[in-house]
Amino acid sequence: AQKVTQAQTEISVVEKEDVTLDCVYETRDTTYYLFWYKQPPSGELVFLIRRNSFDEQNEISGRYSWNFQKSTSSFNFTITASQVVDSAVYFCALSEADTGTASKLTFGTGTRLQVTL
Amino acid sequence: EAQVTQNPRYLITVTGKKLTVTCSQNMNHEYMSWYRQDPGLGLRQIYYSMNVEVTDKGDVPEGYKVSRKEKRNFPLILESPSPNQTSLYFCASSQDRREQYFGPGTRLTVT
Repeated sequence: AQKVTQAQTEISVVEKEDVTLDCVYETRDTTYYLFWYKQPPSGELVFLIRRNSFDEQNEISGRYSWNFQKSTSSFNFTITASQVVDSAVYFCALSEADTGTASKLTFGTGTRLQVTL
Repeated sequence: EAQVTQNPRYLITVTGKKLTVTCSQNMNHEYMSWYRQDPGLGLRQIYYSMNVEVTDKGDVPEGYKVSRKEKRNFPLILESPSPNQTSLYFCASSQDRREQYFGPGTRLTVT
């Protein structure tokens, strides 16, 4: 069965610090997708990134970067020079290739990031 | 604008009073799902639907019902709500596993 673990429940940093959110996943499929979502205090889920299992290239988008390593089943998320607006709960999620459950995302329990001045 | 809508956004009700949370998408997606979010547990799938008249249980289906009579709508029904169903609910739709579109969420409190 698929599983996503976000071991960090809560992280507090001071603005401008770099911070890495960890995500470890388990799956028996060779084809799958990994996602990161942001949930700000307003409650909606904001899509950040999707990565498929065949693409291990790291990605950078502004202050955000993602490190996908199949060898360690990890998909970590780094925020460089954090800002107060980054304060939110961040979820990592996994979608397997089984078409019977193609609509299912398995989420981690989330990491609450608090950025203070 | 492509979107998933949910109504109501906030609901406070009493134990045992039947309620329905509506979900609608305008992207002609085949797949729709309901999730609940609870502190420390992340989001968990309640039910999903692969097409009209095709639904199946997710990880936490107890106490919920769904129907899919039209492609765009996927209501979540709580026939006899209980306090342990107090939660934040999200509807989602997708055409394949690459992308999921989430609604804005419905915060339900059952007293």
